[in-house]
Amino acid sequence: QQQVKQSPQSLIVQKGGISIINCAYENTAFDYFPWYQQFPGKGPALLIAIRPDVSEKKEGRFTISFNKSAKQFSLHIMDSQPGDSATYFCAASTVRDMRFGAGTRLTVKP
Amino acid sequence: NAGVMQNPRHLVRRRGQEARLRCSPMKGHSHVYWYRQLPEEGLKFMVYLQKENIIDESGMPKERFSAEFPKEGPSILRIQQVVRGDSAAYFCASSPRQKNTEAFFGQGTRLTVV
Repeated sequence: QQQVKQSPQSLIVQKGGISIINCAYENTAFDYFPWYQQFPGKGPALLIAIRPDVSEKKEGRFTISFNKSAKQFSLHIMDSQPGDSATYFCAASTVRDMRFGAGTRLTVKP
Repeated sequence: NAGVMQNPRHLVRRRGQEARLRCSPMKGHSHVYWYRQLPEEGLKFMVYLQKENIIDESGMPKERFSAEFPKEGPSILRIQQVVRGDSAAYFCASSPRQKNTEAFFGQGTRLTVV
């Protein structure tokens, strides 16, 4: 049973465009929602994270939007660059547990 | 402060052998998570451990797989009698004690069973 559902599975965006990745969760006990970025051959690295007491968090070109009532959150990458091409994972956690989405492979075309 | 250290980075085993994967968490972190990643797929939770305790092993196969996190030393993921289907990247992550925050990942161990 997948506790965190992520879509799309893959995404192709032109340079300068906006990349949007969506996640939905089931367990209302989750109270921390990080996004990870993974390049080939590397481990996932924390990109940005949000707690449910805010609806949006922005760091540079990366923004998380959070909808607590819908149990959904999304990652927006503004002005996408070829260097952003990677696999992105959303996650949801409590103190005792962290669950990941299946990942989205983003390709940004020059 | 060194990051999460996993070794070996690459491991080749013949079918039927044992694989031992090690994970040293970041200093001050006492929570360790193990994940498996198959090619072109996402991260699959395997087990969550704290020092000397298995908290959640719901993602671990019932047979051949075991994990430990002793009081001293690294966390070990052990796979006995490996089969080709065990070939994958195995990542561990650590997080601070009693604090719900991001987990930091190691570089992973890529296991190939031949």
